[in-house]
Amino acid sequence: AQSVTQLGSHVSVSEGALVLLRCNYSSSVPPYLFWYVQYPNQGLQLLLKYTTGATLVKGINGFEAEFKKSETSFHLTKPSAHMSDAAEYFCAVSDLGNQFYFGTGTSLTVIP
Amino acid sequence: EAGVVQSPRYKIIEKKQPVAFWCNPISGHNTLYWYLQNLGQGPELLIRYENEEAVDDSQLPKDRFSAERLKGVDSTLKIQPAELGDSAVYLCASRQGDNEQFFGPGTRLTVL
Repeated sequence: AQSVTQLGSHVSVSEGALVLLRCNYSSSVPPYLFWYVQYPNQGLQLLLKYTTGATLVKGINGFEAEFKKSETSFHLTKPSAHMSDAAEYFCAVSDLGNQFYFGTGTSLTVIP
Repeated sequence: EAGVVQSPRYKIIEKKQPVAFWCNPISGHNTLYWYLQNLGQGPELLIRYENEEAVDDSQLPKDRFSAERLKGVDSTLKIQPAELGDSAVYLCASRQGDNEQFFGPGTRLTVL
């Protein structure tokens, strides 16, 4: 079975500071891993995904994440936070891409 | 290209009333998902379709929830009768092959 744990339901950073959102997963098969962003009253938008190959993946809006199998982690980072990054972020794991399991989300606040 | 379309965006009903949500996926996407998203939580799968076939409905409360995707394109999710605990956002997503899911904006249901 697959599951996702997102540590920290709320994260606050200053504008220009490093963003680090944590995600750990469990999977009985090689996982596909995803990060989605959700703005208020909108659906989820894909930031980035890992399926195979390079473990450091780059996404939209300057975000990137690194798949670390030994740590079963897929943490999301961005070097410099922008006010427009304030949103809800969801990590998800998939069993070869059919069934998706989402974490409970991390709300990111950016302080000016 | 149009994204996933959902209607209505908002719905307010009294308990014990029926309600229906509609989803039109991205053209050519064979896989369609309905998710339930409670406040402060990640999406939870209700049902997944491959074309017109429901391949995973294990989490759908079949005593009151039903869904259909008759021609393998758009889909309807129905609740009858609605209960107070059904208040949530209902998200539809579609997918083609091994690519990522694309989400609609959701329908926010309030049951009074």
